[in-house]
This record gives sequence, C-alpha cells and structure tokens, in this order.
Amino acid sequence: GAVVSQHPSRVICKSGTSVKIECRSLDFQATTMFWYRQFPKQSLMLMATSNEGSKATYEQGVEKDKFLINHASLTLSTLTVTSAHPEDSSFYICSASTGPEQYFGPGTRLTVT
Amino acid sequence: DAKTTQPPSMDCAEGRAANLPCNHSTISGNEYVYWYRQIHSQGPQYIIHGLKNNETNEMASLIITEDRKSSTLILPHATLRDTAVYYCIVRVATSDKIIFGKGTRLHILP
Repeated sequence: GAVVSQHPSRVICKSGTSVKIECRSLDFQATTMFWYRQFPKQSLMLMATSNEGSKATYEQGVEKDKFLINHASLTLSTLTVTSAHPEDSSFYICSASTGPEQYFGPGTRLTVT
Repeated sequence: DAKTTQPPSMDCAEGRAANLPCNHSTISGNEYVYWYRQIHSQGPQYIIHGLKNNETNEMASLIITEDRKSSTLILPHATLRDTAVYYCIVRVATSDKIIFGKGTRLHILP
C-alpha cells in the first residue's frame, strides 16, 4: 500500500518556540493532504486540508496564524506550530489523498515544555 | 459531527471472531461505509469499505444491512495485535475529508 512518512516522530520544544513537522507521500503524488490533532484518550480532530499550490482550508476553531501549513509539492506538506505553548502538546497526524483513498502517516508527538 | 454511532468498547477472546457494530441511520445513497483502526500511538490504518454489498479482504469482512442503516465489521480470527480503536466512517467517495467519531476500543483477551 501507499506509504506516508512524518518527521520527526517525536519532538520536544520550549514554550514560545516554533516547530515544523513534515509529511511526505513516499510512493505516490498526493493531490490533497490533511492534518489532524489527537489529544490523549480522544479521537482525531481534523485541523486543515491543503491542496498543492494553494492555501490551506482550516476547520472551525483552528487558528491559521498559529498552525501554518505549506503544501509546496505533490509529495510534501509541512505544519509549523508557531509560538508553541504547553496546551499545543499533542499527537499530530497527517494523511495524503489520491482521491477516494486516504493514507495516514505514523504521527508526530509534540511536547511543549 | 460524526454520522455514526459505535459502542465505546468491546472485548473479544483471542482466536474468536470480533464483530464490531456501527449505526449510520442517516447515511445518504452516495455515501460509503469505511472502517479504519488505530493501534496505540500510531496513525490510522485503512481496513475496508463498501457501498451496499458485503465486502471481504485479507483483513476483515464488512456486512452492510439491506437498508444500509447499520453495518458490522468482522475480524474472523482476532489476535492480540488486533487490539486497537476501530472507527466506522461514512463519506462520499469523491470527498477527501474524513471526520472521525469516537470509535470502539477493542480489547483482545488472551
């Protein structure tokens, strides 16, 4: 099956700094990529949808200036958490779509101290 | 909001069939039923999907009722590695967006 990777798998950063998470589709070109966030014991929450070469569409309640998404190519999307705070600590998961099929990355665990 | 209802948790003995139910009484004619699972601290994994006919693949079987208002995911011979949260999702095939509900936490008992 199609493979989606994320880097890094774990990151710890200090409060007030920014952190970038990469999402790559390794063996296919993804027309659309998605970013989810998951808090402990909770379900995945869709944050935003990004199409290559255009601005991301954010879900209601997600701050676009805090969670910057760049989808510069058909195989790479990045999520930058700006001025991170402890409440941003979470498991961030991306997925990549070729149409009806959607493939998920392994996730990135962000801890903000 | 998610359009499906699932029991929050289920237990199944190892080696037995695990039957996970899902209610989707408001499903539209062009919406498919998808199943994903998430093993602890990993990304979701696609299992199976269907429109109205029953489907089977190497991982599981999907039984959809004739009125399409509910379905059952069947793992024929559950193993400890099947312990995960299972999500039942309805979506239009041409729509990329997946909205996750709370899912069913399946515990496989040795």
